[in-house]
Amino acid sequence: NAGVMQNPRHLVRRRGQEARLRCSPMKGHSHVYWYRQLPEEGLKFMVYLQKENIIDESGMPKERFSAEFPKEGPSILRIQQVVRGDSAAYFCASSPGAGGFHEQYFGPGTRLTVT
Amino acid sequence: QQQVKQSPQSLIVQKGGISIINCAYENTAFDYFPWYQQFPGKGPALLIAIRPDVSEKKEGRFTISFNKSAKQFSLHIMDSQPGDSATYFCAASYNQGGKLIFGQGTELSVKP
Repeated sequence: NAGVMQNPRHLVRRRGQEARLRCSPMKGHSHVYWYRQLPEEGLKFMVYLQKENIIDESGMPKERFSAEFPKEGPSILRIQQVVRGDSAAYFCASSPGAGGFHEQYFGPGTRLTVT
Repeated sequence: QQQVKQSPQSLIVQKGGISIINCAYENTAFDYFPWYQQFPGKGPALLIAIRPDVSEKKEGRFTISFNKSAKQFSLHIMDSQPGDSATYFCAASYNQGGKLIFGQGTELSVKP
């Protein structure tokens, strides 16, 4: 059973460009979470999605950031007009939902560098 | 109230010793407490987790102790090995599947 997959693993963007981060959950998992890890800091929740629904976006910055989890395909975290402060590791996690709500399994992350 | 406080920030243990990492929380609505292990450049890996109706859970060399009245929980790594050297994060969540709130992390180094 393949784990959570994220791509790209490394992404370099110049200030003002857009970054798109993709996450494919584990097989059978219908819940996706995005977290951000700044250098030398812990993990901070950003957004929680189920298929076609945003459940909790309380950790998302109000501007420039958006997330989706369409009926088909991976979840996408989109950052518009990136700034240097967006440089971080972005992790996606998935959980099975019913019967195993709490268990979140993380992907390898996408390391975003803004130059 | 949403915070989870973790200590120590860093820990050095000799091979074969016991590593102990502590976490404290305020929100009594939390109902799930996992520990994650993270190696440099990798994603966090779920290590072990506990719910508040249990005071202790053991899996191999890893044990969680949970004190509901004190709102504290800890991770014990018995017979620590150099391969255990990593950053460990405690976390908490509530509302069946809600977001994880992480502690600040503990960088563990096990010396041979």
